[in-house]
Amino acid sequence: RKEVEQDPGPFNVPEGATVAFNCTYSNSASQSFFWYRQDCRKEPKLLMSVYSSGNEDGRFTAQLNRASQYISLLIRDSKLSDSATYLCVVLSNNLFFGTGTRLTVIP
Amino acid sequence: DTGVSQNPRHKITKRGQNVTFRCDPISEHNRLYWYRQTLGQGPEFLTYFQNEAQLEKSRLLSDRFSAERPKGSFSTLEIQRTEQGDSAMYLCASSLVGTQYFGPGTRLLVL
Repeated sequence: RKEVEQDPGPFNVPEGATVAFNCTYSNSASQSFFWYRQDCRKEPKLLMSVYSSGNEDGRFTAQLNRASQYISLLIRDSKLSDSATYLCVVLSNNLFFGTGTRLTVIP
Repeated sequence: DTGVSQNPRHKITKRGQNVTFRCDPISEHNRLYWYRQTLGQGPEFLTYFQNEAQLEKSRLLSDRFSAERPKGSFSTLEIQRTEQGDSAMYLCASSLVGTQYFGPGTRLLVL
């Protein structure tokens, strides 16, 4: 079983839509959780850390459910510039990445 | 730019040749990581240094791969006798505590 599982998508949504990505992780002892964003042929960049209490950064909301070993990312009011691959990342003994979920925001 | 830098950005080589990549981390970061990413996949951990000590190596890192960080600053990743399956993006990341910051990667194509 993979350490981190994500739906690869693609998700094609119109501008202004709300879109949610989910991911599950297998190691219950995982310590930290992140969402990274990766644009085509570019390096991953940290979007936000994910805290147990849930956290928000502008249009982005991240949630963690430790009991279900489940992480989510909600993007409200999607912009064209949100088009990218969103990587769910879990820190256990090492950093484990999901395959990423590809999002395309359509005008 | 004081971010993580990697050189070269692209490398094309023939099967069987050796290649070496360099990573310069963010200057105050003591931890340095190497990852490999193939199309449609997330980055996969290869190895990790804390200062000059190589603390962990993935089983993905075959005997043909070696990484060094001799002075605890920059690191090199060497692949000997390259194979077509080595074609990938090789990413370096550095951190102080927690968040890892990635370099732009070296894209390797083995013909």
